[in-house]
Amino acid sequence: DAKTTQPNSMESNEEEPVHLPCNHSTISGTDYIHWYRQLPSQGPEYVIHGLTSNVNNRMASLAIAEDRKSSTLILHRATLRDAAVYYCILRRVSNDYKLSFGAGTTVTVRA
Amino acid sequence: ETGVTQSPTHLIKTRGQQVTLRCSSQSGHNTVSWYQQALGQGPQFIFQYYREEENGRGNFPPRFSGLQFPNYSSELNVNALELDDSALYLCASSLSGTGSYEQYFGPGTRLTVT
Repeated sequence: DAKTTQPNSMESNEEEPVHLPCNHSTISGTDYIHWYRQLPSQGPEYVIHGLTSNVNNRMASLAIAEDRKSSTLILHRATLRDAAVYYCILRRVSNDYKLSFGAGTTVTVRA
Repeated sequence: ETGVTQSPTHLIKTRGQQVTLRCSSQSGHNTVSWYQQALGQGPQFIFQYYREEENGRGNFPPRFSGLQFPNYSSELNVNALELDDSALYLCASSLSGTGSYEQYFGPGTRLTVT
């Protein structure tokens, strides 16, 4: 499996944007970029995914570099409820079954 | 729409015992995946079941086994428990064959082996 590299932790102030970087220099052409987050004492939850183009949904935006070797998850206005561990995961199209989680980035939001 | 549920919430077992964990999929989902999450680490894929058959397996020994039932609910069985099996066990359901990529996770079962 292609690996991802994320910072261990990031801090943000409430109502400010948060930019979470992810490096995936060995990504292949059939790998989708997925983001999940895990709030304290909960299971992970899906945030967003993309292949080549930038993506937006109600939770976040995903900006993908032109060479696809890196991506950035953007939380536009952080709230205290966004404090969680954020995981960047590569998922191969042919490999429908598993998500390979790394250690993720722990996001702290200050009031 | 009912989400993914798991039982029990917490469990304490002794080394060498056997344990069964249960998972009910989100309504309409046909695929169940199980993950093990040790303290401070990301979840690790154990295996996935689709149409009552194992559809992929991670790097876990055979004493980790599972079942999927016709209603798509699932069980994870672990035999000969070891201290290192202490972890949060997560179940995730999804709908295969539709191009949907999201997995929906339950809250997990916290297993402690003493």
